[in-house]
Amino acid sequence: KAGVTQTPRYLIKTRGQQVTLSCSPISGHRSVSWYQQTPGQGLQFLFEYFSETQRNKGNFPGRFSGRQFSNSRSEMNVSTLELGDSALYLCASSRGQGLTDTQYFGPGTRLTVL
Amino acid sequence: EDKVVQSPLSLVVHEGDTVTLNCSYEVTNFRSLLWYKQEKKAPTFLFMLTSSGIEKKSGRLSSILDKKELFSILNITATQTGDSAIYLCAVDLDDSGGGADGLTFGKGTHLIIQP
Repeated sequence: KAGVTQTPRYLIKTRGQQVTLSCSPISGHRSVSWYQQTPGQGLQFLFEYFSETQRNKGNFPGRFSGRQFSNSRSEMNVSTLELGDSALYLCASSRGQGLTDTQYFGPGTRLTVL
Repeated sequence: EDKVVQSPLSLVVHEGDTVTLNCSYEVTNFRSLLWYKQEKKAPTFLFMLTSSGIEKKSGRLSSILDKKELFSILNITATQTGDSAIYLCAVDLDDSGGGADGLTFGKGTHLIIQP
C-alpha cells in the first residue's frame, strides 16, 4: 500500500507570496492532519480534516488555511508569506477521525521563504 | 497556556544501555498522550496512552502514563544504534475547553546511541 505523499518536496518563495502544498493520504484514510516543524518551535499542529470538514485547529494565524477534497486529498495554503514560515510542513493521515488514531506521516515539504 | 516538556533534551549512551525519556505536561483538557520517533524527516507513531498505570510495550520499548503526576516515561532497553533519533511526546487536547485543540508537542529528546 502506498504511503502518504506530499508535493512538492522542496519549495522556495519570497516574502509576500502565497503557497499551496498538497497531501495525498493512504488509500482508505479519511483524516488528514497538517504540522509545521521548525528548529526553534519543534513540531506544531496546524489543523485536521476529516470528510472534507476541518475538525481541529491549532494556534496559527488566518494566513494558514486548508481544505480537503472528496477523495480525501488535502491542500494547505499559506498567504502573505513571512520569513518565519520557513519550515518543514508535514502531513499525516489516519483511518478514522480523531488525532489519537494512528497517524502515518508523509516525507514533508521543505518551504524556504527568502 | 498548554505546555509539554521533555527531558533530557539530548542524551548520549552506549549500545546495550537502558534509557528513560521523560515527558511532563500542563494542559487544561487532557485526552491522551502520544510518543513518536523521528529519524531524518517524518515522525513514526510509537504509543498512545490514555489510562494511568497501564504499560504499553513494543519489543524493547515501553511506556507508561501517570495522570495524577502529569507525566509519562518512555523506556528503551538494550539500546541499539538504530534507536538513535529524536523522540517526541505529544498531548492530545479535548477541544471542549474552548482553547486550541489538537496535538501539542514537546521539543523532543535527541537520543544518540554510540557503538
